[in-house]
Amino acid sequence: DAGVTQSPTHLIKTRGQQVTLRCSPISGHKSVSWYQQVLGQGPQFIFQYYEKEERGRGNFPDRFSARQFPNYSSELNVNALLLGDSALYLCASSAVGHSLDNEQFFGPGTRLTVL
Amino acid sequence: AQTVTQSQPEMSVQEAETVTLSCTYDTSESDYYLFWYKQPPSRQMILVIRQEAYKQQNATENRFSVNFQKAAKSFSLKISDSQLGDAAMYFCAYGYDNDMRFGAGTRLTVKP
Repeated sequence: DAGVTQSPTHLIKTRGQQVTLRCSPISGHKSVSWYQQVLGQGPQFIFQYYEKEERGRGNFPDRFSARQFPNYSSELNVNALLLGDSALYLCASSAVGHSLDNEQFFGPGTRLTVL
Repeated sequence: AQTVTQSQPEMSVQEAETVTLSCTYDTSESDYYLFWYKQPPSRQMILVIRQEAYKQQNATENRFSVNFQKAAKSFSLKISDSQLGDAAMYFCAYGYDNDMRFGAGTRLTVKP
């Protein structure tokens, strides 16, 4: 079975631009979460979606938004990019319910560089 | 706010030896979950072990075990019989409902 997939693998943008990152969960998983991992730090929780509804939101500005589609894939959008948005963006899916206290399966991430 | 602290940025262990990675956390909740995730150089994070806070028994998964001290809010990971493939970043994480917090990580080096 395919694991969590993310696209693109790498992305280079300039300040002020907008970016869309994509994630496909493991088949059958209805929960998708997004994390930002700045180099040298642990992942920081951005959003969680379950059954196409936002179930959790971390401490990120409104420039960050996300959505989940009927097939449970998800997009993370970041507007007005700042240099500090440069990071590895991780997507994770979970099989059990909407809670984040279950095992999450992570994708390989999208490396975003903002120049 | 719930925070997770890993006080060891780097650790090193000889192959076949045992190493313990430390983690402390802060929470006002009584029923939550704790995790250790491993992130090898290839970047894909995988779950090593999961502990439910209401269970007193420490979780074990083959060579990996935890020492969970709820009152002290401590959650350490012990890796026995270390293997070269154990070399990675290890992240301690706290999960409650719709929130997930990770520590800054410990880089584990395994020496042959």
